[in-house]
Amino acid sequence: KQEVTQIPAALSVPEGENLVLNCSFTDSAIYNLQWFRQDPGKGLTSLLLIQSSQREQTSGRLNASLDKSSGRSTLYIAASQPGDSATYLCAVGSARQLTFGSGTQLTVLP
Amino acid sequence: DAGVTQSPTHLIKTRGQQVTLRCSPKSGHDTVSWYQQALGQGPQFIFQYYEEEERQRGNFPDRFSGHQFPNYSSELNVNALLLGDSALYLCASSVAGYTDTQYFGPGTRLTVL
Repeated sequence: KQEVTQIPAALSVPEGENLVLNCSFTDSAIYNLQWFRQDPGKGLTSLLLIQSSQREQTSGRLNASLDKSSGRSTLYIAASQPGDSATYLCAVGSARQLTFGSGTQLTVLP
Repeated sequence: DAGVTQSPTHLIKTRGQQVTLRCSPKSGHDTVSWYQQALGQGPQFIFQYYEEEERQRGNFPDRFSGHQFPNYSSELNVNALLLGDSALYLCASSVAGYTDTQYFGPGTRLTVL
């Protein structure tokens, strides 16, 4: 059974800081890994999708890496802004079924 | 291009009642998945519908059932509601296959009293 763990559960940083969110998974037989953003009480916004054959994806100030052999992914956020405050969720699996971590709640202080 | 839509936005029910939630997929998508997200937790997979049939199911009891219509929209039904069914219910749509991303709707907040 796939299990996804996200560390830390919560993170508070001053504006402008670069930060890294971590995600680990137990079963490396995955088709892809996605990072999502969720604002309080809202749905999920897909940030980055990494196919199993890829090592990383970048979008603007976001960079996500995938190491299947070690069962790890990181989400790097450069030059953080207060508008980045949200919960970030990592999910692994395929278009048939995603297994999510519990998320990292990020607060960027102005 | 409309994204994934869900209705209603909020719903309050009492224990033992039945509820139906609705989802319209993103244009061009033929597959609909449902997830349950309890407060402070990540979403948990309930089931997925493709070609009007349940294709995959997570670890949820038979009280949770669904349906997909010919226009690819979907319903999630929950019978004999329990307090623990209170959650945000998310619908996601995708194109059949293993590698494509899932696009999520805004969710329906269900409160069971």
